[in-house]
Parts: sequence; C-alpha cells; structure tokens
Amino acid sequence: GAGVSQSPRYKVAKRGQDVALRCDPISGHVSLFWYQQALGQGPEFLTYFQNEAQLDKSGLPSDRFFAERPEGSVSTLKIQRTQQEDSAVYLCASSRRTSGSPDTQYFGPGTRLTVL
Amino acid sequence: AQSVTQLGSHVSVSEGALVLLRCNYSSSVPPYLFWYVQYPNQGLQLLLKYTSAATLVKGINGFEAEFKKSETSFHLTKPSAHMSDAAEYFCAVTAGNFNKFYFGSGTKLNVKP
Repeated sequence: GAGVSQSPRYKVAKRGQDVALRCDPISGHVSLFWYQQALGQGPEFLTYFQNEAQLDKSGLPSDRFFAERPEGSVSTLKIQRTQQEDSAVYLCASSRRTSGSPDTQYFGPGTRLTVL
Repeated sequence: AQSVTQLGSHVSVSEGALVLLRCNYSSSVPPYLFWYVQYPNQGLQLLLKYTSAATLVKGINGFEAEFKKSETSFHLTKPSAHMSDAAEYFCAVTAGNFNKFYFGSGTKLNVKP
C-alpha cells in the first residue's frame, strides 16, 4: 500500500517568509509525528498527534513553529518568519497504534527546507 | 528521559566483511530499541526492533542486533557486507508512553569493493 508522503520535497524560502509543509500519513494510522533532521544529525522529535489531538509539542523549537491535524489524517507543519537555523529536513512519520508496546513508525521521504 | 549514543560517525568495511555498528542507550525505565536505515534522499526504513521479547533480534537484509542490558547496548551486526548496505544507520530508543523516539546521530556505512 501507499506509504507516508510529504510535500513539497524541497522548499527554498527567504528569511522571514512563512512556509507550510504537508504530510499524508498511511491510511488508518492513528499516530503522527514530526521530526527535524539537521545536516549530519539524527532526527529530533518536534511534535506528536493522536488522531486530531496534539498530545505533545515539547520539541517545537519556538512559537514560530505550529502543527495541526484538523481531521486526524493530513498534517501540516507551519513555520512563520523563517530563520536560517530552520534549514533542515523535516520528517513525518505515522504509526498504527496508540498505546501499549511501541509500534513501528513509518517515515516519509522528508521535506528539505533551505532558508536563504 | 532516554538517549542514544552511536560510536563512530563513519564506518568502512570491505565487501564480504563483518559489519558492526555500535549503539549504547540510556533509559531509566525498560527501553524499546530500534535500528533504522536511511538511503540518500529517502526517509528512514525500519531494520529491526527490540520490544522486550527475545534479546537477539533478526531484521531485514540479514541484519541482527542483540540487546544487552548489562552493557546498555544494542549493537547492529551483519556477517557479510554487501555493496547495497552502504547507507546511514540510526539507532533509536523509546520508553514510557512511547510517543517520542530519541535517535542517535547516525553512522554512515561505506562498503569497499
């Protein structure tokens, strides 16, 4: 079946612009995660949704970052007034279960954001 | 909180040689551990996971890992490297409510002909 998809794959923004990154999770997956992967680093947790509820946003680096999943499926990560330090690959992942033992997270290909 | 340390940001082996990628974790509660592989311009793909069943875990593409609580380790091995194994490998840990995965900084594996 279809995997996690993300769009756009590449985004170049001028400093100060707002950007919106989209994630389409695997159909039926309840949990959705956003990660930020800086160059040469591992992914770092940003935020987590269970259906439409954002249960954990402790990893969002500043109030310029905002994520939503209004209907419990597609999610959008928005970054306002982008800064050069926001340049990274933004990964989305989804998983099937909500609790119990951890379920496998399935990752999308990521969106590479470059802020000039 | 949990964390992962991957020793060696770059590992180079010859084709056919043993692959050993190191991962040590820190967790105050029983952890669950994962290895993911990332090919260039692609997302992460699960290789294998430890979820408190057997301590020796077998994954895809001939990889396996052994959970050693006494050493807080979860090293990834493969008996014979193949050119197609060249990629970046990430170890991850989660525990507690399982909502957060903590990733290591990754190890790039180079396979020489």
